[in-house]
Amino acid sequence: AQSVAQPEDQVNVAEGNPLTVKCTYSVSGNPYLFWYVQYPNRGLQFLLKYITGDNLVKGSYGFEAEFNKSQTSFHLKKPSALVSDSALYFCAVRGLTQSKLTFGTGTRLQVTL
Amino acid sequence: DVKVTQSSRYLVKRTGEKVFLECVQDMDHENMFWYRQDPGLGLRLIYFSYDVKMKEKGDIPEGYSVSREKKERFSLILESASTNQTSMYLCASGNSGGSYNEQFFGPGTRLTVL
Repeated sequence: AQSVAQPEDQVNVAEGNPLTVKCTYSVSGNPYLFWYVQYPNRGLQFLLKYITGDNLVKGSYGFEAEFNKSQTSFHLKKPSALVSDSALYFCAVRGLTQSKLTFGTGTRLQVTL
Repeated sequence: DVKVTQSSRYLVKRTGEKVFLECVQDMDHENMFWYRQDPGLGLRLIYFSYDVKMKEKGDIPEGYSVSREKKERFSLILESASTNQTSMYLCASGNSGGSYNEQFFGPGTRLTVL
């Protein structure tokens, strides 16, 4: 079985500071890893994904994520947070032989002035 | 841009009613999915479909059924709505051809069952 853990329900950051949203996963074999963002009253939007290759993946809106195989983590990062980044962020994993995507419980990011 | 639309943004139904939620995508995607989103539980897969007239159960199919008569349309049916089905329902679509393809989501339908 595959699973995702997002250990923080909420992350608070001041605008201009770096942000990290944590994600760890469990899957048999190599993982495919995704980050999605959900703004209020909207569906989920794809941010970035790791398939293979470089462990640092760059995505939309200046976000990036680092794949760490030994720690089974895929943390989302941004060097300088914006108030407009405030939203709900979901990490998701899919194993090579799995037909389904498994989502974490979500982390609410609150960026304040 | 991929567009996934859902028939209603908000829906209020009574216990025991039959409820239809419809989803349409315009990118000729083979795969379509229905999730429900609940606070603290994240997204949970109800059903998915890899082709017309094909369906597979997700993690929480009980109390739900689906229909896919055309490639672009995937319907979720609550045969007899219950209060514990009050939730946000999200439809998604995606290409086949690999586990690495991302999914594209509709805006969601917030269903309240009274």
